Amino acid sequence: EDQVTQSPEALRLQEGESSSLNCSYTVSGLRGLFWYRQDPGKGPEFLFTLYSAGEEKEKERLKATLTKKESFLHITAPKPEDSATYLCADAGGTSYGKLTFGQGTILTVHP
Amino acid sequence: SQTIHQWPATLVQPVGSPLSLECTVEGTSNPNLYWYRQAAGRGLQLLFYSVGIGQISSEVPQNLSASRPQDRQFILSSKKLLLSDSGFYLCAWRFTSPYNSPLHFGNGTRLTVT
Repeated sequence: EDQVTQSPEALRLQEGESSSLNCSYTVSGLRGLFWYRQDPGKGPEFLFTLYSAGEEKEKERLKATLTKKESFLHITAPKPEDSATYLCADAGGTSYGKLTFGQGTILTVHP
Repeated sequence: SQTIHQWPATLVQPVGSPLSLECTVEGTSNPNLYWYRQAAGRGLQLLFYSVGIGQISSEVPQNLSASRPQDRQFILSSKKLLLSDSGFYLCAWRFTSPYNSPLHFGNGTRLTVT
C-alpha cells in the first residue's frame, strides 16, 4: 500500500531561519509528487508538481526537490506569512488522479 | 480561469439527520471531481471520485454517498449522520489530462455532528 510520510510534524522557525521539510513515499512508478499549502480553515492550495528524480521547482522563498524516494521543500529566509501546514501527496500507480496525502508539517515562523 | 465553489462553509447537524454538501466547478468541462475528508490533525482521506456524469467510485465503505447530476456539480450526501462523520470535507477537481495534473481544492465545509 502506498504510504506518504512527512517530517517533522511541526517546525518552529525564526524569521529568516532557513530549513527544509521532508516527504518520503513508498509507491513505485511515481506519476507525480505534489506540494500544497493549507491555511487554517481553508482548502489546500497547490504549490508544485515534480515528476522525476532530480527535478526542482521554485516559487518565491520555496524550492521543491525530488529524489527516487523523497521530496524536500526548502524554505529560504522565511517570513511569518509562510506559516501554514504544508502537505505533500503522490500519484502513483493509481488511475484517475487519486492522490495519497501525508499528514502534513505545521510550519510556524516567528517574527 | 477555473474556480470551485463549495457550500456551506460550516454546518452543525444532529445525529441521525440528513446531509447534503454541494460543490460546483466553473471554467472547465468534464473535470474529474473528488470528495476528501480531513480529520483534525490528520491527512486527507479520499472518499469518492467521479470521472463523468453519473459515474461515482467509492474509496471507503461508510455512511456517505456521492452523486454527480451535472458535469460540474458534485454532491455529498448522507441519509443519517453519525458522530464519526464530523470533519472537514473538501471538494476538488482536476483536468482529465494530463494524467498527473494537480488537484485544485475548494475551501471546505466544517461539519460538526452533535
